[in-house]
Amino acid sequence: EPEVTQTPSHQVTQMGQEVILRCVPISNHLYFYWYRQILGQKVEFLVSFYNNEISEKSEIFDDQFSVERPDGSNFTLKIRSTKLEDSAMYFCASSGFSEAFFGQGTRLTVV
Amino acid sequence: KNEVEQSPQNLTAQEGEFITINCSYSVGISALHWLQQHPGGGIVSLFMLSSGKKKHGRLIATINIQEKHSSLHITASHPRDSAVYICAVSGDTDKLIFGTGTRLQVFP
Repeated sequence: EPEVTQTPSHQVTQMGQEVILRCVPISNHLYFYWYRQILGQKVEFLVSFYNNEISEKSEIFDDQFSVERPDGSNFTLKIRSTKLEDSAMYFCASSGFSEAFFGQGTRLTVV
Repeated sequence: KNEVEQSPQNLTAQEGEFITINCSYSVGISALHWLQQHPGGGIVSLFMLSSGKKKHGRLIATINIQEKHSSLHITASHPRDSAVYICAVSGDTDKLIFGTGTRLQVFP
């Protein structure tokens, strides 16, 4: 069964450092998303991406965040200068014209 | 006020029991999703529905659009059903708005 793959599964980074979270969506999907879940809280939408551009972003997705689909298969989320409050589980998802499929998540810990 | 509310927040059951988790939403939707999140954190889509009822194995999901309410039922519950069950909705755009989840523990 096709699946969304995220790497790494866990990343620890120093405050102020840049991190790149990587995702390989399902190959024939057209819509891509990043969500995050702070420990103990609900999952929150960050950004959606369609046709090589951002289609929607939340208030959380400020100038420190960016997304890219550099090579037609990978979908990346970059956080330029991490803060302690960026510590969370980050989920990538992709969809065709129906339900979304989620990756297993990257747990980001900022120290 | 949360756009998607779930109840109960926590639920414990004995193996074999029939389980119901409820979801109410306050926004217009194009679809409602039920998702399962295991302790490791991964999220799995269970159902996407916009009307009526869907069944998959021991899981049944229903939605009442007029009342803005959905239920997820698990028949003959099993310890492996222990997880967090999340209701989420999609509206005019395709992003998902999540509820806070219901933590289910099924004991043998």
